[in-house]
Amino acid sequence: GAVVSQHPSRVICKSGTSVKIECRSLDFQATTMFWYRQFPKKSLMLMATSNEGSKATYEQGVEKDKFLINHASLTLSTLTVTSAHPEDSSFYICSARGLGQGRSNEQFFGPGTRLTVL
Amino acid sequence: SQKIEQNSEALNIQEGKTATLTCNYTNYSPAYLQWYRQDPGRGPVFLLLIRENEKEKRKERLKVTFDTTLKQSLFHITASQPADSATYLCALRSTNQGGKLIFGQGTELSVKP
Repeated sequence: GAVVSQHPSRVICKSGTSVKIECRSLDFQATTMFWYRQFPKKSLMLMATSNEGSKATYEQGVEKDKFLINHASLTLSTLTVTSAHPEDSSFYICSARGLGQGRSNEQFFGPGTRLTVL
Repeated sequence: SQKIEQNSEALNIQEGKTATLTCNYTNYSPAYLQWYRQDPGRGPVFLLLIRENEKEKRKERLKVTFDTTLKQSLFHITASQPADSATYLCALRSTNQGGKLIFGQGTELSVKP
């Protein structure tokens, strides 16, 4: 099946520092990648959508200067949380939608990254 | 307003029974609907996709129905097992939302032995 990996799975950082999270599609090419945020017992909230080689489209209320997204290749997207604050602590999940093998409609998710900002 | 709603109350059933989860939506025109399973601290795992012109889809012990008149999808797990205990999310991709996948809040299923 389609596999999406995320790294790191868990990160603790100090307030004011930046954290980078990587998302990779391992066995398919992802034309579009998505970044979600999830609070405990809540649904997934879409933060932004990125297409390979172009700028990300951010959802309303999401600060693009704070959450920097790069989709440099068909298998890699990164989310950088800049100048992190405790309120940025959350579970961040990436997702990829891909090309070929009938996968253009299915969306596959990474295992998530738990970010804790002290 | 646009809404996608799942039963927010946890569903508790006995092993061997059929679990039925509901997903209702309003003011969307879904091209298709997907069901995911999510375990605590993990990302969602894709289970099934059903398109707007399909009434039913099956995969092993799973069955999904899609009624665009009622604006509802039902997700069934037959012969449920304790290992099926998880949160189940429905998500729709709407023709008027730029292709984004919009999620319901999920229903927590607990299967007791």
